Amino acid sequence: ETGVTQTPRHLVMGMTNKKSLKCEQHLGHNAMYWYKQSAKKPLELMFVYNFKEQTENNSVPSRFSPECPNSSHLFLHLHTLQPEDSALYLCASSHRRDRGTNYGYTFGSGTRLTVV
Amino acid sequence: AQTVTQSQPEMSVQEAETVTLSCTYDTSESDYYLFWYKQPPSRQMILVIRQEAYKQQNATENRFSVNFQKAAKSFSLKISDSQLGDAAMYFCAYIGPDSGYALNFGKGTSLLVTP
Repeated sequence: ETGVTQTPRHLVMGMTNKKSLKCEQHLGHNAMYWYKQSAKKPLELMFVYNFKEQTENNSVPSRFSPECPNSSHLFLHLHTLQPEDSALYLCASSHRRDRGTNYGYTFGSGTRLTVV
Repeated sequence: AQTVTQSQPEMSVQEAETVTLSCTYDTSESDYYLFWYKQPPSRQMILVIRQEAYKQQNATENRFSVNFQKAAKSFSLKISDSQLGDAAMYFCAYIGPDSGYALNFGKGTSLLVTP
């Protein structure tokens, strides 16, 4: 365990379903991230929260909706997804996202999402 | 946009041997950080080693070391005395002002370790 916990580990959903992915960290980090990992493609940064404020949305379709109620929890709400959205969704956290000494991110084990 | 390139989709090494994974990146910045992450089949992305660009000394962590060539924008990972547990996807990553201080990854290299 790295200190970043993601649930569920696997998720199968239909295109008309609504589901949520959860991420939790108790490392005292102030920044949290959602990444999408698809086969044969680099990891894609989707959303960034720095001190609970969303600071980046990398042109992600509105069918993905993030929520960060506090520094320790991050959600990704999913609705009316497409089969091409099937991927591994990784959550990560770090101390903060700006200048200064950077120790990288701590990742969770991901949620394997399959859209049918 | 800032890019990280890993030109070796797959590599193979025999147990106890040494292997080097390549990574190049582009930037005009002088102050940034570079990382190697390992992702085994368990999917956990694990930090292997970290390099600060302003430090000339190459980082080392036990059997893992890097060859950081700042002028050439090259950051290779050397794994010595390879073990079966080293088999995984290895990702090179960059953080700097031109990535918006977001961790930017290469496509990864799949490392196979044979007995």
